[in-house]
Amino acid sequence: AQKITQTQPGMFVQEKEAVTLDCTYDTSDPSYGLFWYKQPSSGEMIFLIYQGSYDQQNATEGRYSLNFQKARKSANLVISASQLGDSAMYFCAMREVGTASKLTFGTGTRLQVTL
Amino acid sequence: EPEVTQTPSHQVTQMGQEVILRCVPISNHLYFYWYRQILGQKVEFLVSFYNNEISEKSEIFDDQFSVERPDGSNFTLKIRSTKLEDSAMYFCASSPLDRGRTGELFFGEGSRLTVL
Repeated sequence: AQKITQTQPGMFVQEKEAVTLDCTYDTSDPSYGLFWYKQPSSGEMIFLIYQGSYDQQNATEGRYSLNFQKARKSANLVISASQLGDSAMYFCAMREVGTASKLTFGTGTRLQVTL
Repeated sequence: EPEVTQTPSHQVTQMGQEVILRCVPISNHLYFYWYRQILGQKVEFLVSFYNNEISEKSEIFDDQFSVERPDGSNFTLKIRSTKLEDSAMYFCASSPLDRGRTGELFFGEGSRLTVL
């Protein structure tokens, strides 16, 4: 079974608008961490934001926020005020307890920001 | 800011040849990883390395693969006899022992391997 599911293979958003990238996960561990990484066309993986399973508040990092709904097992990434430089692949990932920080990735969503 | 560096950025090899991909993790990090990404697909875990030994490996990481940390700074991935399906981007990553609860992995820019 998929541990991380990203159902949107591609998304378009207009510059300056907000966009939500979906991510759902599956785990039986009570303690886990959720991550979003950005992969621009150059190929590197850039850490964006982290949410711990016990965190009471949704994580925010600048224009990135994570809409964490634990009961629904979803961890959607919200990018506000999109910029052309946000065009990239976005991967959701999960780390479970006892896995030495090993991350399991979703299939990714390709975001295209348009003028 | 410290970063993970990988060499080569791109390697082309013939099927059956041995390949060594090199990584220099961030100096005070203690966990090291290799991931791979076949073109257009998701990033897959290969192996994690801690305290000079493999701590976890995936089904992909079969006997053709090996890792070592020969000199306390480099972290290498060796593929003994490459196959066409080994063509992928290989990412090295490192993580401090404890970055709070984050466990953030810092990735290198990747080494693209093309097997002909």
